[in-house]
Amino acid sequence: AQSVTQPDIHITVSEGASLELRCNYSYGATPYLFWYVQSPGQGLQLLLKYFSGDTLVQGIKGFEAEFKRSQSSFNLRKPSVHWSDAAEYFCAVGAVDTGRRALTFGSGTRLQVQP
Amino acid sequence: SAVISQKPSRDICQRGTSLTIQCQVDSQVTMMFWYRQQPGQSLTLIATANQGSEATYESGFVIDKFPISRPNLTFSTLTVSNMSPEDSSIYLCSVWTETPWEQYFGPGTRLTVT
Repeated sequence: AQSVTQPDIHITVSEGASLELRCNYSYGATPYLFWYVQSPGQGLQLLLKYFSGDTLVQGIKGFEAEFKRSQSSFNLRKPSVHWSDAAEYFCAVGAVDTGRRALTFGSGTRLQVQP
Repeated sequence: SAVISQKPSRDICQRGTSLTIQCQVDSQVTMMFWYRQQPGQSLTLIATANQGSEATYESGFVIDKFPISRPNLTFSTLTVSNMSPEDSSIYLCSVWTETPWEQYFGPGTRLTVT
């Protein structure tokens, strides 16, 4: 079975600073990987996804993520954080080689942005 | 893409009662999912609901407590039965689309059980 670990429960960065949110996954085959953002009182919005090909993927709102198979990681990055980026971020993994499509989510990282 | 709506958006219920949550999708989808997000927690899959078959429940969730209906390719309901305060959560409907390969989420139903 697959699993996801987000080691950082809470991160605070200053507006304009760079951001990296960590995600490590466990899965025996090639995973498909997602990052979602959840703003207070809102549903989940897909930021980006990785299935195959180029290991650096670009998403919405200026986010990118890099898949590193050797490290079982899929870290999310943004070069310059905006106050509106304050939210909860979830990494999720799915199974490519089975018919199961439901994703397994990490515990989330809450991002706080200081002015 | 898929646009998902849920009703109700929130509710406060008394223990021992039941609440049915509706999920409507703007396109036909085969796979629908129900998740629970307890306060301050991540998402936990309750069940997968495919049209034309019985829902498949994850470990720790049972049909008697969370009966699900999937009458067609755009609609599903989740009932939370005999509620207790521990059922206070956000319940999210989700769908998987094949083109593109993505999972979309509804806005959630915030349930408080008193």
